[in-house]
Amino acid sequence: DTAVSQTPKYLVTQMGNDKSIKCEQNLGHDTMYWYKQDSKKFLKIMFSYNNKELIINETVPNRFSPKSPDKAHLNLHINSLELGDSAVYFCASREAGGTDTQYFGPGTRLTVL
Amino acid sequence: RKEVEQDPGPFNVPEGATVAFNCTYSNSASQSFFWYRQDCRKEPKLLMSVYSSGNEDGRFTAQLNRASQYISLLIRDSKLSDSATYLCVVLARGSQGNLIFGKGTKLSVKP
Repeated sequence: DTAVSQTPKYLVTQMGNDKSIKCEQNLGHDTMYWYKQDSKKFLKIMFSYNNKELIINETVPNRFSPKSPDKAHLNLHINSLELGDSAVYFCASREAGGTDTQYFGPGTRLTVL
Repeated sequence: RKEVEQDPGPFNVPEGATVAFNCTYSNSASQSFFWYRQDCRKEPKLLMSVYSSGNEDGRFTAQLNRASQYISLLIRDSKLSDSATYLCVVLARGSQGNLIFGKGTKLSVKP
């Protein structure tokens, strides 16, 4: 019973393609996040959603579009993939009004060729 | 100046050693502080929160100095299983949960 799950775990694709990564949390949390960890291992926030509403967008190119069909899911769609998009993408969730602890998914390793 | 700075290491220590990691943060309005642990090719996991009064969890002790904007983590009696990257993490006041991560300090504990 995984708390935060992501699919796929690995994604290898060609430049120019469009791809999606899915995230689901069964913790009942209200807030979900997408982070990017690049080759230098630097982990940086991309988006945050609270109860299906976008609250943080950290100057991410508009090729990246998050979508939250309900508060348990936050998917990430990427158009026109570029080499620089290669990274590990982590989804996370946090209970609103609770502690500030965030729970991370296992990550999706994206490789753009 | 980076928002959260850490010595990247690696720190190579023998089993049983005591090792200390330091971290500085630039935003004086930061309100919450954490140490996360990340194993190779895994997701970050919360190790412990850091409080002004200092807090201890078994072999791990975390300290916060708000005046100096400095956070530390002390690991006593290192185990092989402590080998990982330790991420210093800061939450700014009113940031809607926007965690700022340091680049991490890599620890390798050798037999």
